[in-house]
Amino acid sequence: GQSLEQPSEVTAVEGAIVQINCTYQTSGFYGLSWYQQHDGGAPTFLSYNGLDGLEETGRFSSFLSRSDSYGYLLLQELQMKDSASYFCAVRDPGSWGKLQFGAGTQVVVTP
Amino acid sequence: DGGITQSPKYLFRKEGQNVTLSCEQNLNHDAMYWYRQDPGQGLRLIYYSQIVNDFQKGDIAEGYSVSREKKESFPLTVTSAQKNPTAFYLCASSIGTPGTEQYFGPGTRLTVT
Repeated sequence: GQSLEQPSEVTAVEGAIVQINCTYQTSGFYGLSWYQQHDGGAPTFLSYNGLDGLEETGRFSSFLSRSDSYGYLLLQELQMKDSASYFCAVRDPGSWGKLQFGAGTQVVVTP
Repeated sequence: DGGITQSPKYLFRKEGQNVTLSCEQNLNHDAMYWYRQDPGQGLRLIYYSQIVNDFQKGDIAEGYSVSREKKESFPLTVTSAQKNPTAFYLCASSIGTPGTEQYFGPGTRLTVT
């Protein structure tokens, strides 16, 4: 089986930096993905880490350490529109497409 | 524009009735997925299909059924056997190779009373 843990909520002010941690336990590992979901909307893909290290896409960065079974999503220069839920997900080793999602972290950005 | 459509956005049904949720994609993706999301929770996989005429159960398939007769379409039926069907249902698709993103539809919010 697989399990992922991430904090339930994080609050920060505009312009700040937020780090969302994700630890996982899997029987096999094929990469860590991050998705953003605004309230009532569809999840959208943010990033994927298949190897150790940092991936940067604009204000968002994602990091993976396979030896620690740990990853994080870093949100920089927070904007009000970044208020959303953020999910980490790992791919099921038994199926190339199937993802297991964490419970999500609600990020609240305040003025 | 390419994308995934789900209809309707909101659906209301009486207990004991089967209901079918629509999912169509024009992205030419091989793989399609159905997820259920309950308030404050993550996405749980109901069924997925890697290719036409083939599908597999996900983590919470009981009380649901699917078909994949066309590459573009992956309808989900919520049967009367599903004990707690009220939820937000999301359909997704992907190319299917490792590391590729899943594209999600706008979702259908089903309420059963």
